[in-house]
Amino acid sequence: DIVMTQSPDSLAVSLGERATINCKSSQSVLYSSNNKNYLAWYQQKPGQPPKLLIYWASTRESGVPDRFSGSGSGTDFTLTISSLQAEDVAVYYCQQYYSTPSFGPGTKVDIK
Amino acid sequence: QVQLVQSGAEVKKPGASVKVSCKASGYTFTSYDINWVRQATGQGLEWMGWMNPNSGNTGYAQKFQGRVTMTRNTSISTAYMELSSLRSEDTAVYYCARGVLGSSWYVVFDYWGQGTLVTVSS
Repeated sequence: DIVMTQSPDSLAVSLGERATINCKSSQSVLYSSNNKNYLAWYQQKPGQPPKLLIYWASTRESGVPDRFSGSGSGTDFTLTISSLQAEDVAVYYCQQYYSTPSFGPGTKVDIK
Repeated sequence: QVQLVQSGAEVKKPGASVKVSCKASGYTFTSYDINWVRQATGQGLEWMGWMNPNSGNTGYAQKFQGRVTMTRNTSISTAYMELSSLRSEDTAVYYCARGVLGSSWYVVFDYWGQGTLVTVSS
């Protein structure tokens, strides 16, 4: 099974500032035949189900603001919120779908 | 619009079984797999398995093999997840989610149900 880790566990960022979350997989999630990274990001607010933000490591889901971006390849990935808004306070999870799905432990984002 | 609406909260005793339903609307139910993901209070997300509503085929995470059964009733666009031999560690919110992008085992989840809290307590 592929184990996902995230860092930091939590971070506090001032409104309008950049937030960066890292995700690492225990083995590569890059599928060589199509050169796609099988990595997704979700946002979960309290009392709500997760919301899909990004898939294929860097493709934004329809309707997701462009301040959210994903990058990385192989085993190391990053979710960046370019200018943090109050409504972005949430826990963020990465998920690999290269093999049976597994999620990272989550990163909590708060306002400083 | 796509919606997945789950059944209400359950309280069960250790050793019992629970069956959670997930009613789909706004799309063709048989065109997308339904997956189940659970989340213990204050914890992360744990994938349990998938069910193809068209064929009825299923695939379960190894951890839940032998204890989980996923079924469907296509006439009412509803998927079900039954978990047996419940223990206190099964206390969690259980979500159904639609799987997209890949084949059954290799998917992301674009729509989620609202979640069903299952509490296992003596």
